[in-house]
Amino acid sequence: DTEVTQTPKHLVMGMTNKKSLKCEQHMGHRAMYWYKQKAKKPPELMFVYSYEKLSINESVPSRFSPECPNSSLLNLHLHALQPEDSALYLCASSQDRGNYGYTFGSGTRLTVV
Amino acid sequence: AQKVTQAQTEISVVEKEDVTLDCVYETRDTTYYLFWYKQPPSGELVFLIRRNSFDEQNEISGRYSWNFQKSTSSFNFTITASQVVDSAVYFCALSEAFNSGGYQKVTFGTGTKLQVIP
Repeated sequence: DTEVTQTPKHLVMGMTNKKSLKCEQHMGHRAMYWYKQKAKKPPELMFVYSYEKLSINESVPSRFSPECPNSSLLNLHLHALQPEDSALYLCASSQDRGNYGYTFGSGTRLTVV
Repeated sequence: AQKVTQAQTEISVVEKEDVTLDCVYETRDTTYYLFWYKQPPSGELVFLIRRNSFDEQNEISGRYSWNFQKSTSSFNFTITASQVVDSAVYFCALSEAFNSGGYQKVTFGTGTKLQVIP
């Protein structure tokens, strides 16, 4: 299995809603990432988990809350989002220190209304 | 600080033409990795190639080829005989080689949107 699976593919949520994005990989990768991508922009790093521990938080607002329940799963909990948070949210994984490149999921397209 | 520049914002070519996407990078590291990713309209980022800083050999994979030149800090990507399915945004990226945190932080360029017209 050489995929990163993200669910849902599309999500529309109100500013008062609570929702979660899910990411799963079964490649044995020990680093997992959340990226945010606005239209016509490159992906921007949000969080890095290494060996199930949060290694990097790129000053992301607390309305985004990551969680890594185990080495195969990565969640992003969303609460009280703003319309400007509408974007494509990409999950990725990589081998530990391998520098072999990321494997990205197909993303969740989030719209906040 | 690392930087990746893709000066071409958008390129349009007619099917079967060759096209080269430019990538220029900056880094103070002597050991680093370079990547190209393809992002079709469906949204996912597809890994195309990885190159480490010690390997300047050009690489060819089917219609794709890559030219890595350390002297000019460039890692250009050529598609030969382009096809409509090549239409996508292409990102060049750079990562540091070593990180004590057990992960790799990647700097992406701004992307080049390629449109192949039938």
